[in-house]
Amino acid sequence: DAKTTQPTSMDCAEGRAANLPCNHSTISGNEYVYWYRQIHSQGPQYIIHGLKNNETNEMASLIITEDRKSSTLILPHATLRDTAVYYCIVRVLSSGGGADGLTFGKGTHLIIQP
Amino acid sequence: GAVVSQHPSWVICKSGTSVKIECRSLDFQATTMFWYRQFPKQSLMLMATSNEGSKATYEQGVEKDKFLINHASLTLSTLTVTSAHPEDSSFYICSARDSSGANVLTFGAGSRLTVL
Repeated sequence: DAKTTQPTSMDCAEGRAANLPCNHSTISGNEYVYWYRQIHSQGPQYIIHGLKNNETNEMASLIITEDRKSSTLILPHATLRDTAVYYCIVRVLSSGGGADGLTFGKGTHLIIQP
Repeated sequence: GAVVSQHPSWVICKSGTSVKIECRSLDFQATTMFWYRQFPKQSLMLMATSNEGSKATYEQGVEKDKFLINHASLTLSTLTVTSAHPEDSSFYICSARDSSGANVLTFGAGSRLTVL
């Protein structure tokens, strides 16, 4: 899996959009960008994933640059419950006959301020 | 959506005893489950891949005789920490791949083990 780089921590005001960047300059053509988050003392939660087009779901939007070397996760209206560590992970869509666990980096600790 | 249940959510045991943690996929079948360990203020570390009906695959540095994994059915994997010691105190989290084909993992809520 390609390596990703994320800021260690970020602050965002409640109600504002939280924009979390991720660099993945060595991403391969068949690798997707996945985002998970982990609220304190809970298991990680899947947020969104994409290949090259921008994606949106009920939780967030994912913006991937045209060269695919970086991406931004957007939480449109952050709430206090969005305080968590956010992980950007790059991997292929399917591991074929086998199955691989995700490799987690250190992620970004997003703190939503009231 | 896919749900993974872990039990117990927390456990305290004496040094030298064994502890079993269960991981169940509630509404889907999982031929493969993954076990992670997370120490305070650190990221998740993959310990092993649990394969239904066959032996688990352990990551480098993880003792297979200490962390016994059994995946006897398509909805249940268990992790047994044998002869636990205080340094085994950690947050253990399991996950399973859902059936969507999107390579998304669903995680359990985790089990916090404290060894006295």
